Amino acid sequence: GAGVSQSPSNKVTEKGKDVELRCDPISGHTALYWYRQSLGQGLEFLIYFQGNSAPDKSGLPSDRFSAERTGGSVSTLTIQRTQQEDSAVYLCASSLGTFNEKLFFGSGTQLSVL
Amino acid sequence: GDSVTQMEGPVTLSEEAFLTINCTYTATGYPSLFWYVQYPGEGLQLLLKATKADDKGSNKGFEATYRKETTSFHLEKGSVQVSDSAVYFCALSEGRGWGTSYGKLTFGQGTILTVHP
Repeated sequence: GAGVSQSPSNKVTEKGKDVELRCDPISGHTALYWYRQSLGQGLEFLIYFQGNSAPDKSGLPSDRFSAERTGGSVSTLTIQRTQQEDSAVYLCASSLGTFNEKLFFGSGTQLSVL
Repeated sequence: GDSVTQMEGPVTLSEEAFLTINCTYTATGYPSLFWYVQYPGEGLQLLLKATKADDKGSNKGFEATYRKETTSFHLEKGSVQVSDSAVYFCALSEGRGWGTSYGKLTFGQGTILTVHP
């Protein structure tokens, strides 16, 4: 596609429910990143994928968070047993490769946990 | 670990005023430095970058110089416009040599800029 696409754009869920957030990167981009933007905070790195290499999961805040990338393209970020502190904008980005530092960001998914 | 600190906002200026947004960083190795911008209702996009010490990044009238001795990468613009109103993020990525980058970015907290006519 023309840009990084994320869905849904908004998600409201109840505490304790599981949610899945989807990211469709720019075609041909081998690197994919997930970030979290909380109100009044900067962007917090969560996880990134590069080709077929093992993902860098060093930013995931707890074991309730997981992500996968199927076929080297679409990625899904899953949050299990959501908590109110998980409320944030979840941003996905892609780039041509690990050593190409220009990231292209999607518009994000606004997650609200009630 | 790596970190980026930006001046606290929000920053409010009149059109044609001079802009400075301070950014300092802590990193090992050979970081590349970036400014990203988020316009209202849009996704983050790269504004400018510098990949080694003393490099100057520039775009759309904005400039920033990579100062290794002061670990800074301050953003400047001589004459801001209403259309520059946005959130500005300073960021770094580690590299194993000058001009390389691992891609994974560490961001500052962002500075909200509002420009009035």
